[in-house]
Amino acid sequence: QKEVEQNSGPLSVPEGAIASLNCTYSDRGSQSFFWYRQYSGKSPELIMFIYSNGDKEDGRFTAQLNKASQYVSLLIRDSQPSDSATYLCAVANQAGTALIFGKGTTLSVSS
Amino acid sequence: GAGVSQSPRYKVAKRGQDVALRCDPISGHVSLFWYQQALGQGPEFLTYFQNEAQLDKSGLPSDRFFAERPEGSVSTLKIQRTQQEDSAVYLCASSPDRANYGYTFGSGTRLTVV
Repeated sequence: QKEVEQNSGPLSVPEGAIASLNCTYSDRGSQSFFWYRQYSGKSPELIMFIYSNGDKEDGRFTAQLNKASQYVSLLIRDSQPSDSATYLCAVANQAGTALIFGKGTTLSVSS
Repeated sequence: GAGVSQSPRYKVAKRGQDVALRCDPISGHVSLFWYQQALGQGPEFLTYFQNEAQLDKSGLPSDRFFAERPEGSVSTLKIQRTQQEDSAVYLCASSPDRANYGYTFGSGTRLTVV
């Protein structure tokens, strides 16, 4: 069974701080990695994807990938109350037919 | 439309009833995916279509679940003889390619079985 693991949280950070979200995956052959944000009662929204080892930055978001350690992370700089949501890590299966999701980490940013 | 459209938005079914959930993907998107999301959990993969071909149905939990996409556009997820454990949000997503590039979800259908 291919798995994606995340701490469920909640992760609480003050406004303006850096939030760090982590994810590990079991399938060493995985090539594509995604972070989705899900507000309560809404559907998941794609915010970042990463395919290569290292960092990928987009605005306040940085995704980090370490395939040797089978580890993906998402950093949110200058966290805002509007960032409060559940963040889902997802990994594409090798056939490209599905994304396997973790259970999500709930982030709470206090003003 | 501009996004993935799902209907109905909410569905209440009595245990044992059959239900049909509809998904209208983004126009031109080849790939269509169905997921089930229970409360407090991440989405669980159900099935994948490439055009009208159902290439992966490994996530369907039982033979009560059936999905089709006969013309390679609109898809229907059918659940027969619904059970309480089927209560969840059913999400549809579409993509111009396979899952490797991520995809856009619809708003989902919240199914409650009573």
